[in-house]
Amino acid sequence: NAGVMQNPRHLVRRRGQEARLRCSPMKGHSHVYWYRQLPEEGLKFMVYLQKENIIDESGMPKERFSAEFPKEGPSILRIQQVVRGDSAAYFCASSPRQTGATEAFFGQGTRLTVV
Amino acid sequence: RKEVEQDPGPFNVPEGATVAFNCTYSNSASQSFFWYRQDCRKEPKLLMSVYSSGNEDGRFTAQLNRASQYISLLIRDSKLSDSATYLCVVMNYGGSQGNLIFGKGTKLSVKP
Repeated sequence: NAGVMQNPRHLVRRRGQEARLRCSPMKGHSHVYWYRQLPEEGLKFMVYLQKENIIDESGMPKERFSAEFPKEGPSILRIQQVVRGDSAAYFCASSPRQTGATEAFFGQGTRLTVV
Repeated sequence: RKEVEQDPGPFNVPEGATVAFNCTYSNSASQSFFWYRQDCRKEPKLLMSVYSSGNEDGRFTAQLNRASQYISLLIRDSKLSDSATYLCVVMNYGGSQGNLIFGKGTKLSVKP
């Protein structure tokens, strides 16, 4: 049973390009959370999704950022027109239901570098 | 005031030492509490949940004081492999949110 899979592990984009980060939850998990970690900072909640639904996007920047979790396939975090400040590690976590952290598992993260 | 506050450290301790980390949270309605461990450039991993009655897992003991909104983690007989950043995490339920709120972490370095 594979864990939470994120790809790519490392992504380099030039300013103004688009970044697409993918997260495949653990088998049987239908809840996905995205977090961002800036260098030397803690993890910040971005968005919580269930299949085909955005449940809570209160942590998402209002512009350029979007997320989806389609019926088939991985969850996608999309950043349009990236800027240097978007450089960070983006972690995805999944759980079988909305529950405590004992059942939330993290992927290894995608490190985005904007040059 | 930040939702979850921790002493950033770093804590530099010799092997075998006992070290304690503290954490405070601002939302009195918070319902679940955890300590996560994060190694350099790795993902966070759950270390242990924290209960009002206190709980122990080997060399690790976690305590929660709801009245003071304070959480602690005690590590006894520190090992080199304990070197990591320890994240205090609070979960607030209610409405559609089920998100984990992370402190910035306390860095621990255990030296031979």
